[in-house]
Formats: sequence, structure tokens, C-alpha cells
Amino acid sequence: QKEVEQDPGPLSVPEGAIVSLNCTYSNSAFQYFMWYRQYSRKGPELLMYTYSSGNKEDGRFTAQVDKSSKYISLFIRDSQPSDSATYLCAMKTGTASKLTFGTGTRLQVTL
Amino acid sequence: SAVISQKPSRDICQRGTSLTIQCQVDSQVTMMFWYRQQPGQSLTLIATANQGSEATYESGFVIDKFPISRPNLTFSTLTVSNMSPEDSSIYLCSVKQPAGEKLFFGSGTQLSVL
Repeated sequence: QKEVEQDPGPLSVPEGAIVSLNCTYSNSAFQYFMWYRQYSRKGPELLMYTYSSGNKEDGRFTAQVDKSSKYISLFIRDSQPSDSATYLCAMKTGTASKLTFGTGTRLQVTL
Repeated sequence: SAVISQKPSRDICQRGTSLTIQCQVDSQVTMMFWYRQQPGQSLTLIATANQGSEATYESGFVIDKFPISRPNLTFSTLTVSNMSPEDSSIYLCSVKQPAGEKLFFGSGTQLSVL
């Protein structure tokens, strides 16, 4: 079993839809949770960063962490074609410098 | 966030040759890392590049295959040695911000080995 599970998609939604992207994990020691956006032929770009449980909002993006269920989510409101990319979840423990990544979910927002 | 320049952005290489990838950061950073991203797989940490000492390699990666240099706090290189088609992948340099836990990535090097 992988430490971090993420549905690879692809996920196709119409413009303006609310998108929900999710990851589950098995290591209860994970404390820092991140979402990266990666456009084709580009490096991952840090989108959201949260520590421990709870919600964090930044514009159209909301990150949720539920440590009791070992489940994290990224919500995108009013999705745009420019949101079409691969979204990677990543997480780490408090002591490790190493990030553990999901495989990424490919999102396509259509006109 | 730090600006990370990585080159080459892509290359096509012959089996048995070596390629050196460069990573330049616009500010001094303590921690630099090299990742590999294979199609359909998670980003995998190859090694942590330590300034002034040997890199720390993850399980499954060895120095003879992936020698790393880190001569100062803003620059590192990763060499992929004696390449085979299985080395075809995206290689990414990343840095950790000096204060906090955020990790930033360069634009990557797309390597194809024929």
C-alpha cells in the first residue's frame, strides 16, 4: 500500500464548476500538507500549504485537512480553463525534510 | 519564494552516455533536493544535496549512478551516469525555504534516453 493515494483521473469538468481533489494517506505522523499545481512541461508550483487539521482558503482555492480520517482535499471554485493541470498532493512529518507525494490528478476544465 | 533556474530543460541522449543537470537559485538556501518524476508515478526523492559534503541518497539511488555536487549555497548539479532508457524521466531540483517547511521546484529537465 502506498503511503499517499491519489486518483490519477483524468477529471473533466465544465468551466465554472466546483472541483474537488482528494488524497488519503496512511502515516499518522504527517503534519504538513501541500498542494502543487503542475502544468505540462513545467515544474510543480506550490499552491496551498497547511499545517495540521483544518481549512485554509486562498482566493478560489480551499485546502482541507482531516487528520482523523487521514484525508486531505483541495476545492477549486469557479473553475477556469487555466486551472487545467495536474494537481499533486504532498505531505511530510514534523522532523523529516522529505516530502511524500501522491501520483497527481489530471484536471481538464472545458469551455 | 526563491527563483530556481534549471538547465537543460530537455535533452535526448544516447544509451551509455552521461548528462549533467544544473540548478541555480537566486538566494542562499540550506537545503536542496533532487527528485525524479516518471510517467504515472509519484515524485521520488533521489537525494539531498549537502553543501560541502557528500549528498544523502534515498534507498534505491546510489552515488555512482547519480553523482551530485553542491559547491555553495546557491548551486547544485546532478549527473545521470551510464544512461539507459529506464532513466528517461523528468528530473527536478527543489529547495526548502530557509524558515518554514515550504518546498519550491525548478522547471525540470525532461530526459529521453534512446
